[in-house]
Amino acid sequence: DAGVTQSPTHLIKTRGQQVTLRCSPISGHKSVSWYQQVLGQGPQFIFQYYEKEERGRGNFPDRFSARQFPNYSSELNVNALLLGDSALYLCATRPQYMNTEAFFGQGTRLTVV
Amino acid sequence: QQQVKQSPQSLIVQKGGISIINCAYENTAFDYFPWYQQFPGKGPALLIAIRPDVSEKKEGRFTISFNKSAKQFSLHIMDSQPGDSATYFCAASMQETSGSRLTFGEGTQLTVNP
Repeated sequence: DAGVTQSPTHLIKTRGQQVTLRCSPISGHKSVSWYQQVLGQGPQFIFQYYEKEERGRGNFPDRFSARQFPNYSSELNVNALLLGDSALYLCATRPQYMNTEAFFGQGTRLTVV
Repeated sequence: QQQVKQSPQSLIVQKGGISIINCAYENTAFDYFPWYQQFPGKGPALLIAIRPDVSEKKEGRFTISFNKSAKQFSLHIMDSQPGDSATYFCAASMQETSGSRLTFGEGTQLTVNP
């Protein structure tokens, strides 16, 4: 079975631009969460989606948005990029909404210049 | 109250030794405590997890010890191997209406010398 797939793997953007990151969950997983991992730190929670509805939002500005599609894949959008948005963006999926093991993708490395 | 504090920041162990990483939390509503292993350029991978109704869980060379009254938990890696060299994160989460988000510690960079 394929694991959590994220695309692209690497991305370079200029300040002020917008970016869209994509996540395909493990087959049968309905819960998708997004995390931001700045170099040298632990991942920080951004969003959780379950059954196409937002179920949780971390302490991130409104420049960050996400959505989940009927096939349970998800997109994370970041507008008006800042240098500080440079990070590894991780997608994690679970079979259900419940508090169980989360499976992470390999992440998208975003560099803002 | 949502923080999870992890120590040490870095750890160097000889092959065959025991690696011990500690975490402490404040929010007593946390009810799931996983440990993740992350290699450079990869996403975190679950090693082992525990719930607060047990004090210890062992899987192979990895053991979690959990002290509910002290609000602390630790990861012990027995017979540490060079292949264990990675960054380790403790985390905590709770079932809540706002989503079962994971709150991560700051990470421990483990180096196992041959």
